Amino acid sequence: DGGITQSPKYLFRKEGQNVTLSCEQNLNHDAMYWYRQDPGQGLRLIYYSQIVNDFQKGDIAEGYSVSREKKESFPLTVTSAQKNPTAFYLCASSNGERGAYEQYFGPGTRLTVT
Amino acid sequence: GQNIDQPTEMTATEGAIVQINCTYQTSGFNGLFWYQQHAGEAPTFLSYNVLDGLEEKGRFSSFLSRSKGYSYLLLKELQMKDSASYLCAVVDSNYQLIWGAGTKLIIKP
Repeated sequence: DGGITQSPKYLFRKEGQNVTLSCEQNLNHDAMYWYRQDPGQGLRLIYYSQIVNDFQKGDIAEGYSVSREKKESFPLTVTSAQKNPTAFYLCASSNGERGAYEQYFGPGTRLTVT
Repeated sequence: GQNIDQPTEMTATEGAIVQINCTYQTSGFNGLFWYQQHAGEAPTFLSYNVLDGLEEKGRFSSFLSRSKGYSYLLLKELQMKDSASYLCAVVDSNYQLIWGAGTKLIIKP
């Protein structure tokens, strides 16, 4: 079955620690995205990547970092510099330029930092 | 700035029809998406409109008027499983996807 996996589903961390969220897809999509979702707000784009070894900042990239060493994988690191990291994080992929095509989403990771 | 407006919450009765509106002000327009998101889960694609008019897909239909900056999602024969949030997203002139905050739909028996 083709799809996107994110792990873990729930993640708890202490303030001051970096944490890496996993995202893997086997849809053979070129483009991948990371979003953050907070209650009462729309999805906000953190980073996106259109091809391997290249990625671009989204609207709220501060305090986050990514890598795209393989087409299938796009991990997100939430660093201690992110002031309010507790949120629901969604990874997505699409078969083309980011706004023009349907995006397929992973199940999400709910991160809680205390 | 770019803005998408949707009602925060709506309530409807099982078996009825509900219309969820979305109005937008964006720099350019290259299409509008509707996604469904059940609580705690991933959004899933419902529809994509780029031309004016109504697109029907089973119990769900989506309408677009580009001149009015307006779209709606129409859900017929509501079922309890339709309880979810419905997200409107607009593609602007730079092919950036601008997301609305979503409309939480509550279905009552």
